Amino acid sequence: GENVEQHPSTLSVQEGDSAVIKCTYSDSASNYFPWYKQELGKGPQLIIDIRSNVGEKKDQRIAVTLNKTAKHFSLHITETQPEDSAVYFCAANDYKLSFGAGTTVTVRA
Amino acid sequence: NAGVTQTPKFQVLKTGQSMTLQCAQDMNHNSMYWYRQDPGMGLRLIYYSASEGTTDKGEVPNGYNVSRLNKREFSLRLESAAPSQTSVYFCASSAGGEEKLFFGSGTQLSVL
Repeated sequence: GENVEQHPSTLSVQEGDSAVIKCTYSDSASNYFPWYKQELGKGPQLIIDIRSNVGEKKDQRIAVTLNKTAKHFSLHITETQPEDSAVYFCAANDYKLSFGAGTTVTVRA
Repeated sequence: NAGVTQTPKFQVLKTGQSMTLQCAQDMNHNSMYWYRQDPGMGLRLIYYSASEGTTDKGEVPNGYNVSRLNKREFSLRLESAAPSQTSVYFCASSAGGEEKLFFGSGTQLSVL
């Protein structure tokens, strides 16, 4: 089955700086890669997703890049704000969705 | 528009007790899911229902049962709770497949 590894497990950034979270996956058949944001006391919320036929996707301050050859994908958050503080999960879908362990992002004011 | 509603939000059980976690969605979604979230392990799928009338095992189904009561409701039952089932449980729904999942706010369960 699919194995998704996510790094780092914690990330602290100064407000206004960029944050990058990286994930690797094992199954080359995976073709869908979503990112979820989980705020304290809430359920995860989809923030961006990418399919295997696309190398990069942007939505305002967030972007995801995918390198299928190397089997890794990354989440980039630019101009970070306090409300970006949360736990972020990557996932990869071959025939089922497998989640990474999560990254706790703290934005320092 | 409530989205996905889970009850209860918190529950403490003693080993061997039983309970049912309730989930309802108002988005007319076909598929519904139960996940558990444990520290350092992300989200793991317990059971899912691809459509009304069907249920299937996920990655960690042992010790759980589910019922897709109708298109809106999907319940998770612990028949004899064990400490290893201490976790945060999330219900989710989607139009179809494990894409663009909508999650509830979770149930924090402690088994003593």
